[in-house]
Amino acid sequence: GENVEQHPSTLSVQEGDSAVIKCTYSDSASNYFPWYKQELGKGPQLIIDIRSNVGEKKDQRIAVTLNKTAKHFSLHITETQPEDSAVYFCAASYTGNQFYFGTGTSLTVIP
Amino acid sequence: EPEVTQTPSHQVTQMGQEVILRCVPISNHLYFYWYRQILGQKVEFLVSFYNNEISEKSEIFDDQFSVERPDGSNFTLKIRSTKLEDSAMYFCASSDSGRNEQYFGPGTRLTVT
Repeated sequence: GENVEQHPSTLSVQEGDSAVIKCTYSDSASNYFPWYKQELGKGPQLIIDIRSNVGEKKDQRIAVTLNKTAKHFSLHITETQPEDSAVYFCAASYTGNQFYFGTGTSLTVIP
Repeated sequence: EPEVTQTPSHQVTQMGQEVILRCVPISNHLYFYWYRQILGQKVEFLVSFYNNEISEKSEIFDDQFSVERPDGSNFTLKIRSTKLEDSAMYFCASSDSGRNEQYFGPGTRLTVT
């Protein structure tokens, strides 16, 4: 089955700086890649996603890039704010049903 | 904004007991899912459900587990005889299409003692 690796496991940035989280996947059949933000005590919230027919997608301060050849995708957060502090999960799917999640990145934005 | 809700938020049970975790998916969604997250580990897929039947399940979802949509709004996960290793956060999710975004609930923390 699919295996998703995520790095780094923890990330600290100064407010206003950019943060980048990277994920790799193993199954070239995967075609949908969502990113979730999980705040303490809450469920994962979808923040952005990308499909395999697109190389990049942007939504305000958040962007995701996908390199199908290398089988990796990344989350980019620009102009970070303290409220961006959370655990971020990447995921991959090729059936549309089962999501395979990464291990999560704990992001801390230092004011 | 519509959201997935789950009850209870925390369930404590003794080993061997049956538990039922409840979820109310977003009202116009047709695809429903259960995931679990053992403390410090990845979120893991358990099962997907569409048109009143299981469409996909993982190796974790053995005979101890079952899912049901007892009425037009609820979606439940039953664990027949809980084990210590079933202790985890269980998330329900729903989607309007099997190929689109999945929206997660806040989770039920299950503690088996």
